[in-house]
Amino acid sequence: DIVLTQSPDSLAVSLGERATINCKSSQSVLYSSNNKNYLAWYQQKPGQPPKLLIYWASTRESGVPDRFSGSGSGTDFTLTISSLQAEDVAVYYCHHYFVNSKTFGQGTKVEIK
Amino acid sequence: QVQLQESGPGLVKPSETLSLTCTVSGGSISNYYWSWIRHPPGKGLELIGYKIYSESAKYNPTLRGRVTISVDPSKNQFSLNLNSVTAADTAVYYCARKISDYIGGGMDVWGQGTTVTVSS
Repeated sequence: DIVLTQSPDSLAVSLGERATINCKSSQSVLYSSNNKNYLAWYQQKPGQPPKLLIYWASTRESGVPDRFSGSGSGTDFTLTISSLQAEDVAVYYCHHYFVNSKTFGQGTKVEIK
Repeated sequence: QVQLQESGPGLVKPSETLSLTCTVSGGSISNYYWSWIRHPPGKGLELIGYKIYSESAKYNPTLRGRVTISVDPSKNQFSLNLNSVTAADTAVYYCARKISDYIGGGMDVWGQGTTVTVSS
């Protein structure tokens, strides 16, 4: 199984500052036939279901603010919130869909400093 | 827009079968993959499996043998059956629409989730 390890487990960022979350995969999730990384990012606020933010590692889902961006390839990925807003307080998960196991990272909790 | 709603018992006895249904409104169940995800207390998210009507279901290897996902286009519903449950199956269960891996792969529409507790 592919294991996704996120870092840090939690971080506190001042409003308007940048938040960066890392996700490291135990194996490459780059699909060679289409050169796409099969990795997504989700945001989960308390009491709500997860919300898709990013797919194919860097493609923003429709309606997601452009302060959210994804980058990386192969085994190392990053979710960046360029200017943290109060409504961005949540737990963020990376998720691969490369092979059948399709696991999630353990989550990163983002709070306001 | 498409909306999903989970339904089913909130309490299941150990060794029995957990059965949940997800009703799809605002769109057709055909031509999409439909998935179940769970979130045990204090743990991370876990994909249980997913299925499109025309193909065999794909299951998390750790649950294979206990889980069945089916899709009923006539009712615009899909369902989850998980047998021989234990306390470890206690979780919030979500249903979600999954986009084909070839055109994105994300799970873009989610139900609100339903809490299932396994206890005698």
